[in-house]
Amino acid sequence: KQEVTQIPAALSVPEGENLVLNCSFTDSAIYNLQWFRQDPGKGLTSLLLIQSSQREQTSGRLNASLDKSSGRSTLYIAASQPGDSATYLCAVSGNTPLVFGKGTRLSVIA
Amino acid sequence: EPEVTQTPSHQVTQMGQEVILRCVPISNHLYFYWYRQILGQKVEFLVSFYNNEISEKSEIFDDQFSVERPDGSNFTLKIRSTKLEDSAMYFCASSSQGASETQYFGPGTRLLVL
Repeated sequence: KQEVTQIPAALSVPEGENLVLNCSFTDSAIYNLQWFRQDPGKGLTSLLLIQSSQREQTSGRLNASLDKSSGRSTLYIAASQPGDSATYLCAVSGNTPLVFGKGTRLSVIA
Repeated sequence: EPEVTQTPSHQVTQMGQEVILRCVPISNHLYFYWYRQILGQKVEFLVSFYNNEISEKSEIFDDQFSVERPDGSNFTLKIRSTKLEDSAMYFCASSSQGASETQYFGPGTRLLVL
């Protein structure tokens, strides 16, 4: 059964800092990995999707990497801003539909 | 930009009552999903729907749940007899090509069962 773990559970950084969020999964037989952002009480906004054949994807200040063989992904956020404060969720799609981690709650302090 | 919409945004109901949660997926998408998130817990898959039938469902999706695409635009989740533990945020999602493509999520319906 696929399990997705995200560390740290919470992170607080000063504005302008670069940061890395981690995601690990137990079954490497995945189609893709998706990073989402969730604001309090709101829906999920898709940030990046990495296909299993890809190593990384970039969108603006975000860069996501995937190491399928080791079951790991990272989300790198450059030059963090207070508006980046949210919970970041990692989810993998494979033989089962999307399996989510519990998320990392990020606070960027001005 | 096209988006998934859900109604209502909030619903309060009494235990044992039936509720219907509504979703309008992105218009050219073919795959539809329901997920739920109990407060403080992970987002969990409930069911996927393609070509007017359920393609996959989780253990959570028992006989009290049903889904329907009553017309060309709406996708509904019905809970026949709500329980206290059904209180959660329910998200609808859609994608164009199934598991290999990005799933786009709606804003959710917060269901509270009293």
